[in-house]
Amino acid sequence: SQKIEQNSEALNIQEGKTATLTCNYTNYSPAYLQWYRQDPGRGPVFLLLIRENEKEKRKERLKVTFDTTLKQSLFHITASQPADSATYLCALDAPQGGKLIFGQGTELSVKP
Amino acid sequence: DAGITQSPRYKITETGRQVTLMCHQTWSHSYMFWYRQDLGHGLRLIYYSAAADITDKGEVPDGYVVSRSKTENFPLTLESATRSQTSVYFCASSELGLDTQYFGPGTRLTVL
Repeated sequence: SQKIEQNSEALNIQEGKTATLTCNYTNYSPAYLQWYRQDPGRGPVFLLLIRENEKEKRKERLKVTFDTTLKQSLFHITASQPADSATYLCALDAPQGGKLIFGQGTELSVKP
Repeated sequence: DAGITQSPRYKITETGRQVTLMCHQTWSHSYMFWYRQDLGHGLRLIYYSAAADITDKGEVPDGYVVSRSKTENFPLTLESATRSQTSVYFCASSELGLDTQYFGPGTRLTVL
């Protein structure tokens, strides 16, 4: 069955640095991939969507890459700020269609 | 107010009791979803619905029942609550099944 893996350990970085989060998947080829942000006690919030035929997508300080050969997506936050501290989830379209499969998320902590 | 709401936000119940969690969205999105989120498991899909009167099982449907008589509402019922159903439950909606999902604030359910 399909599997999604995100860094299970929390990522701690210094303010102003670039944060890079990884999402790896196995056993199938999704049509697209999404990234969400979740703050404690709140529901996930959509950030970016990238399709299989897109190598890279940007939105302000966010950048997502999608390597279908490596079966991996990288999520970058440039010039990180303490306000970027949150858990980031990646999600892929399920092969059965009509729904998403979420990774477990990576907790990011940006220190001032 | 526009958006997606869940009620109650917090619920404590006892083993064996029936509990219904409510979800309401004002966008007229076709798709609605129920997830549970537990430490170590991330977001897991319980049930989803592509339209009124159309529902389908997700990854962890056992012990749960859903209905969707109106597009805007998607209640989730635990017919006989068990301690293993202690979790945070999120409802989400999307225009299309694989599109951006909009999440509610969550319901924290404790089964004693």
